Amino acid sequence: GIQVEQSPPDLILQEGANSTLRCNFSDSVNNLQWFHQNPWGQLINLFYIPSGTKQNGRLSATTVATERYSLLYISSSQTTDSGVYFCAVPHNFGNEKLTFGTGTRLTIIP
Amino acid sequence: DVKVTQSSRYLVKRTGEKVFLECVQDMDHENMFWYRQDPGLGLRLIYFSYDVKMKEKGDIPEGYSVSREKKERFSLILESASTNQTSMYLCASSYFIQLSGTNYEQYFGPGTRLTVT
Repeated sequence: GIQVEQSPPDLILQEGANSTLRCNFSDSVNNLQWFHQNPWGQLINLFYIPSGTKQNGRLSATTVATERYSLLYISSSQTTDSGVYFCAVPHNFGNEKLTFGTGTRLTIIP
Repeated sequence: DVKVTQSSRYLVKRTGEKVFLECVQDMDHENMFWYRQDPGLGLRLIYFSYDVKMKEKGDIPEGYSVSREKKERFSLILESASTNQTSMYLCASSYFIQLSGTNYEQYFGPGTRLTVT
């Protein structure tokens, strides 16, 4: 099945800093999602982005499907941005079941 | 807004008990999913349902069964709970691919932390 790798595994930043999280995947995809898991365990949808660039406030994401990677940008970090960020892609092309990356744990220090 | 709810946030059960975890979604989604999340192992799919009474095994179905009698409700059943089933359980839902075109974004419930003692 498809392999999904995220980097870095851990990131510690001062409040106000910017960050870039990366998601690499091993095969063609037609669906990619970014999630934020908050300290209570809930997965919050950030972006549904099979290709191109999307922005939502301080967050933006870019997927380059032909090169098999996606980037999540967080600008002007706040302590509430802390948590684990996951990307997920279909098990195989067109499949509704998702394979998740291992996540990036982001800690924002006041 | 899509809403996926799960019956309990925290649950403590004894070894050998039968455990039911319930999930309800209000978006008329065809697909529903059950995952478990463990440190170091990430999220793994247990079972998937694409219609009422239809189910498909995921990556780790052993020790679990599911029930989908109504479109909005998907239950995960641990027939005889064991300590290695202590985990975070997450339910999700999405549209069916053929009906939604290409957008079958998954939405998650708040999770149930199950401890089996």
